[in-house]
Amino acid sequence: RKEVEQDPGPFNVPEGATVAFNCTYSNSASQSFFWYRQDCRKEPKLLMSVYSSGNEDGRFTAQLNRASQYISLLIRDSKLSDSATYLCVVDTGRRALTFGSGTRLQVQP
Amino acid sequence: GAVVSQHPSWVICKSGTSVKIECRSLDFQATTMFWYRQFPKQSLMLMATSNEGSKATYEQGVEKDKFLINHASLTLSTLTVTSAHPEDSSFYICSATAGLAGSYEQYFGPGTRLTVT
Repeated sequence: RKEVEQDPGPFNVPEGATVAFNCTYSNSASQSFFWYRQDCRKEPKLLMSVYSSGNEDGRFTAQLNRASQYISLLIRDSKLSDSATYLCVVDTGRRALTFGSGTRLQVQP
Repeated sequence: GAVVSQHPSWVICKSGTSVKIECRSLDFQATTMFWYRQFPKQSLMLMATSNEGSKATYEQGVEKDKFLINHASLTLSTLTVTSAHPEDSSFYICSATAGLAGSYEQYFGPGTRLTVT
């Protein structure tokens, strides 16, 4: 079983749509959780950290359920510029990050 | 924000040659640097963790004699792919963390695309 699992997609949605991505992780000792965004042939960029209480940054909302070892990302009012691969990332406490394989989002006009 | 650079951004080399990739933290001192590799349509996989002045810690399955890592200063780590083969063609990305005040946020370099012919 992969340490971090994501639905690879692709998710094709129209502009303005709301889309949600899910992720599960296997190591219950994991301490920190993140969503990164990666554009084609580029390095990943931190989108947001994920906290147990849930957190929101503009159109993006992230939630963590430690009991279920489940992380989610919600994007509201999708823009064309949101098209990218979204990586669920977990820090198990070693400080090195474990990346999911990513979920590809394509927002269409 | 913290900036990490990598050089070169892409390289094409012949099978059997060695290639060195540099990773620099430009505006902060990196206590720890990480090297990742990403094959097409796959996720980033950690190769090794290096702390300044000490030997790198390699992940299982990564050959330390093939992927030589040197972290001689707090702003520079190098990865040398020795005797490269076509299967080593990949996107190599480094990241660095300053480890200040309990924060271990990682800052990623732009990556180096290696093609071995």
